[in-house]
Amino acid sequence: GQQVMQIPQYQHVQEGEDFTTYCNSSTTLSNIQWYKQRPGGHPVFLIQLVKSGEVKKQKRLTFQFGEAKKNSSLHITATQTTDVGTYFCAGQGGTALIFGKGTTLSVSS
Amino acid sequence: EAGVTQSPTHLIKTRGQQATLRCSPISGHTSVYWYQQALGLGLQFLLWYDEGEERNRGNFPPRFSGRQFPNYSSELNVNALELEDSALYLCASTGGSNTGELFFGEGSRLTVL
Repeated sequence: GQQVMQIPQYQHVQEGEDFTTYCNSSTTLSNIQWYKQRPGGHPVFLIQLVKSGEVKKQKRLTFQFGEAKKNSSLHITATQTTDVGTYFCAGQGGTALIFGKGTTLSVSS
Repeated sequence: EAGVTQSPTHLIKTRGQQATLRCSPISGHTSVYWYQQALGLGLQFLLWYDEGEERNRGNFPPRFSGRQFPNYSSELNVNALELEDSALYLCASTGGSNTGELFFGEGSRLTVL
């Protein structure tokens, strides 16, 4: 079945450093979504990418969808302590929305 | 407007018992997803219901089952509980079968002793 892999599993950065998490699917996706889960909270939707090669920005966050629609990345510029949490990608390949295992980001000031 | 609501918040059971978790989607949403979030394992897809029908199920044994009611609320049943079923069970709703943004509830924490 469809699998979504995400790396790295954990990342620790100093405040102000950049951060990137990568997502790869075993199958071509119709769309990919990104979610953030704060410690003790539930996942909250960040963005959805649909088009091949699409790039979207939200302030310091940049999201990319690969040309083959099988991979994606989330890049955070100049991390802040408020960026702490687990970032999940979730891909839909015509069936259900399958989540990656997430990347847990910790930020020290 | 009320978000996705789940009950109970916490549930403690012993091995072999049965657990029932409930979810009410956002008003107007017809599609409900269930995910299991065990420590370190991310969100594992359990079940997807849309318009009262089961659309897909994840790689879980048959003792995990559920249903969606005519008002689009849903319940998840776990029979013959095992220790490894201890996890946070998250329900999410969305507006239709062409999945857009998922809105998650706060989850039901199931502990199996």
